[in-house]
Amino acid sequence: AQSVTQLDSQVPVFEEAPVELRCNYSSSVSVYLFWYVQYPNQGLQLLLKYLSGSTLVKGINGFEAEFNKSQTSFHLRKPSVHISDTAEYFCAVSEDGGGYQKVTFGTGTKLQVIP
Amino acid sequence: EPEVTQTPSHQVTQMGQEVILRCVPISNHLYFYWYRQILGQKVEFLVSFYNNEISEKSEIFDDQFSVERPDGSNFTLKIRSTKLEDSAMYFCARLGTPPERTIYFGEGSWLTVV
Repeated sequence: AQSVTQLDSQVPVFEEAPVELRCNYSSSVSVYLFWYVQYPNQGLQLLLKYLSGSTLVKGINGFEAEFNKSQTSFHLRKPSVHISDTAEYFCAVSEDGGGYQKVTFGTGTKLQVIP
Repeated sequence: EPEVTQTPSHQVTQMGQEVILRCVPISNHLYFYWYRQILGQKVEFLVSFYNNEISEKSEIFDDQFSVERPDGSNFTLKIRSTKLEDSAMYFCARLGTPPERTIYFGEGSWLTVV
């Protein structure tokens, strides 16, 4: 069964500083990996995804993530954060099941950008 | 533009009452999902629905829950007799058209059971 671990429940960072949100996954088959963002009192928005190909994927709002198969990781990075990046970030994994997919979420990391 | 539209956005109900949450996909898709997020906790899978049948359900999805697509368009989640612990944000989602492998979520329906 697939699972996702987000070790950091909260990450405070000063505005314009870089940030890395960590994500590790577990699966016995090929996976697809996602980061979703949830702004306060809002729904889940897709930030970026890894399906295949280049292991470095770029998403919206200047975020990027790198798929590392050997370390089973998919860490999210941004070189310079903005106040508006304050939100909760969820890493998610989906196993390659042919036509059917189901995402399993991590516990989330709250990013707090400090002015 | 949201991938799916959910109604209501917020509902308050008394314990023991039945609740129906609705989801309307923007376009025709085959796989639909309901997820739940209790305040401050992770997003949890409830059920997936394909071709008018449940394809997978979690342990959370017990007999008090049901899903259907009565008119081929609206996709509903019914909670028969709500409990306090059912208070949560409920997300409807759809799978992108193959070869798409992304699941897109609606804005959520916030259910408060009092």
